Amino acid sequence: AQTVTQSQPEMSVQEAETVTLSCTYDTSESDYYLFWYKQPPSRQMILVIRQEAYKQQNATENRFSVNFQKAAKSFSLKISDSQLGDAAMYFCAVLTNTGNQFYFGTGTSLTVIP
Amino acid sequence: EPEVTQTPSHQVTQMGQEVILRCVPISNHLYFYWYRQILGQKVEFLVSFYNNEISEKSEIFDDQFSVERPDGSNFTLKIRSTKLEDSAMYFCASSTDRGPLAEAFFGQGTRLTVV
Repeated sequence: AQTVTQSQPEMSVQEAETVTLSCTYDTSESDYYLFWYKQPPSRQMILVIRQEAYKQQNATENRFSVNFQKAAKSFSLKISDSQLGDAAMYFCAVLTNTGNQFYFGTGTSLTVIP
Repeated sequence: EPEVTQTPSHQVTQMGQEVILRCVPISNHLYFYWYRQILGQKVEFLVSFYNNEISEKSEIFDDQFSVERPDGSNFTLKIRSTKLEDSAMYFCASSTDRGPLAEAFFGQGTRLTVV
């Protein structure tokens, strides 16, 4: 089975600053994918970024980037130039290549301070 | 942009009552899922559904739970006799294919409160 741990239940960041959300995971699979999902208040959970475990290069999507440390089983999300619209619950998740279900962490609630 | 919609957003029910949570997946999607998150805990997989049958289910998904796609658009989760510990946020999701390369789209969730 897979486990995902998000050790920061809440984080805050000043608008325009950078924040990093932590995630560690455990899996016995060699082929898997890692995800960050964002859920704004009362809105759908949407995919922020995805990382294939076999790729060494860290994934980047505009202001969002990850620091993927495979040996340490760490997958943190960096948000640069934070905006008010980034305020949301962020979930880290792992999905194996053979599996059909996400394993999520407990989430980190991000507040952006104007 | 297409999205998964869930109704109601909040449901309060008495212990022992049956409850049906509804989801409208994205129209060309073929795989459907239910997840739940008990307050303060992880989001947990309940069940996946494809081709009108359950393809995977977790240990949580016992005989009290059932899913169906009654009319080709809705995807429902029924809890037959609710317990206090069923109180949680329930998320529906859909995707075009299984596996990690097909993006899963989630609904906004239904908060179920069992009293």
